[in-house]
Amino acid sequence: NSKVIQTPRYLVKGQGQKAKMRCIPEKGHPVVFWYQQNKNNEFKFLINFQNQEVLQQIDMTEKRFSAECPSNSPCSLEIQSSEAGDSALYLCASSRTDSGNTLYFGEGSRLIVV
Amino acid sequence: GDSVTQTEGPVTVSESESLIINCTYSATSIAYPNLFWYVRYPGEGLQLLLKVITAGQKGSSRGFEATYNKETTSFHLQKASVQESDSAVYYCALGDSSNYQLIWGSGTKLIIKP
Repeated sequence: NSKVIQTPRYLVKGQGQKAKMRCIPEKGHPVVFWYQQNKNNEFKFLINFQNQEVLQQIDMTEKRFSAECPSNSPCSLEIQSSEAGDSALYLCASSRTDSGNTLYFGEGSRLIVV
Repeated sequence: GDSVTQTEGPVTVSESESLIINCTYSATSIAYPNLFWYVRYPGEGLQLLLKVITAGQKGSSRGFEATYNKETTSFHLQKASVQESDSAVYYCALGDSSNYQLIWGSGTKLIIKP
């Protein structure tokens, strides 16, 4: 069972609505990732954090997506104005700093934009 | 650029038969690639199956094994005798040890016939 907890498992939003997903990383993992996995199983990296600081993010994330990892609270990924193309499985993963690229994933939040 | 190509699924194998899922990579901008196989079982989150960080080494887990071959730029996943419980989607991934990024293959759905 995943030790990375993602909520909600499913969310359905209308176009233009906000969609917010949360993630509790595995205890002791300071690095947190968000990926978008589309219906073709392709992974798109969105953003990652080390503690509360953004390490890397893609352009799309800067424009319509916002994310944060506040101390002592779940990390979150929010889409300000959902579009049909945002329908996907959003995966949160966490990692230790000394484990190379080994990521531990949650079960994902599936967003459907109607 | 950097990329991962793996066997396109679905792959159907009868129980107790052998399995190979091909994975080849291109790591033109990564000095020290790490290679991974992740697996998603039905109803579960993505989880690490095995990883190898040194060329020429073999990783193994749950009866699966994969050898990091730098000459052929391959990391094929093999199992001598599959079980019904191996039915899952398998992802090959390439990591850059200088940062936390992973480059993903498109996944191979494995179906085991009883």
